[in-house]
This record gives sequence, structure tokens and C-alpha cells, in this order.
Amino acid sequence: GENVEQHPSTLSVQEGDSAVIKCTYSDSASNYFPWYKQELGKRPQLIIDIRSNVGEKKDQRIAVTLNKTAKHFSLHITETQPEDSAVYFCAANPFGNEKLTFGTGTRLTIIP
Amino acid sequence: GAGVSQSPRYKVAKRGQDVALRCDPISGHVSLFWYQQALGQGPEFLTYFQNEAQLDKSGLPSDRFFAERPEGSVSTLKIQRTQQEDSAVYLCASSLASGLNTEAFFGQGTRLTVV
Repeated sequence: GENVEQHPSTLSVQEGDSAVIKCTYSDSASNYFPWYKQELGKRPQLIIDIRSNVGEKKDQRIAVTLNKTAKHFSLHITETQPEDSAVYFCAANPFGNEKLTFGTGTRLTIIP
Repeated sequence: GAGVSQSPRYKVAKRGQDVALRCDPISGHVSLFWYQQALGQGPEFLTYFQNEAQLDKSGLPSDRFFAERPEGSVSTLKIQRTQQEDSAVYLCASSLASGLNTEAFFGQGTRLTVV
């Protein structure tokens, strides 16, 4: 089955700087890679996703890159703001396999 | 409702007690998932329904765990003879279609504490 590793587990960034979170996956059949943001005590919410037919996707201050050969994908947040503080989870699943395999999460803290 | 709704939000159970957790998915969503999230960890897959059919239950940790979705809408996760290691947040998610990697919308979860 799929195995997803996520680094770092914690990340502190000065407000306005960029944050990068990296994930690797094991199943070469995986072709969908969502990123979820979870604030304390709240539900995970999708912030961006990417499919394996593209290498990069951007939505305002958030971008995701995918390297299929190396089997890793990364989340990039630019111009970080205090409201970006949360736990971020990457996930992966192969086409047609409904279940998501999640990473262990990154606790991002934005320092004002 | 506008989103996935779970009840109760919090449940304290004595060890050995049976519990039932409810999930109301977004109306019209075909796929429904249950995940278990231990403290400080990512969600881990338990089971998946496509309409009323349970297509994957490979993540259920033991035969004490049982899930159903009899009419293809509301789902219930039942845990029999709860044990302390069952303490976790149980998340339900739904998505519009199956087999197309569409966005999964999560509920706020039920925090189960077994004492």
C-alpha cells in the first residue's frame, strides 16, 4: 500500500517569509495529491491539490510542485500571515483507489 | 446542511461500553469515508462506502469496529467493547463522485475518549 512521509514535523517562520513543506510517497500509481489545513479542533480543509499530469499548480500565495520521477511533492506558502498558522497534511491516492493516505502533519507557526 | 455533520462532537465511554458515531454527508455525495485521527497524527483510513455499498473496510482495526450506510446517505460507525486505544478523533468525509479523485469534504469529527 501507499506510504507518505512528511517533513518537517514543526516549522516556525517569520511573518512575511516563505514556508515549504515536503512529502514523499511510495506508490508510483498515485496520481492525486491534496493538501489539507487543519486548525486546532477544526476539520481538515482542502487548500490545494495537484494531479500527476501537471508539475506545478498555484493559487494566490499557495503553490504545490510535483516530481513524479522522485515521487515527492511540496507545498509552498509565500508572504506568510498569522492566519496561516495551523497543521498541514499532505496526502496521496492512486486513481480509482478512493482512500487517501495522509502524512503525519506539519505544525506551522507564523511568528509576528 | 452545507457541510458534513458529525454527532456527537464529544463522547466519553467507559471501557467495555459500545458507542455509535453518526455522519451526515453532504447531500448527493456518493462516496463516504471514515478516518481515525490519533493525537498529533494524520488521519488514517478506516472504511469507504460508495452509496450503500461498503467497498473497502481494510482499515478497520478489529472486528469490534463496524460501519454501515444502509440508505446511501447517513452512516454510522459502531465500536463495540471500547478499549483505551480506541481513544481518537473519528472523522467522516464525503465526496461527490467515485473514481475521479474529487475533493473530500471532512466533518468536524467526534472526539472519543475511553476511560
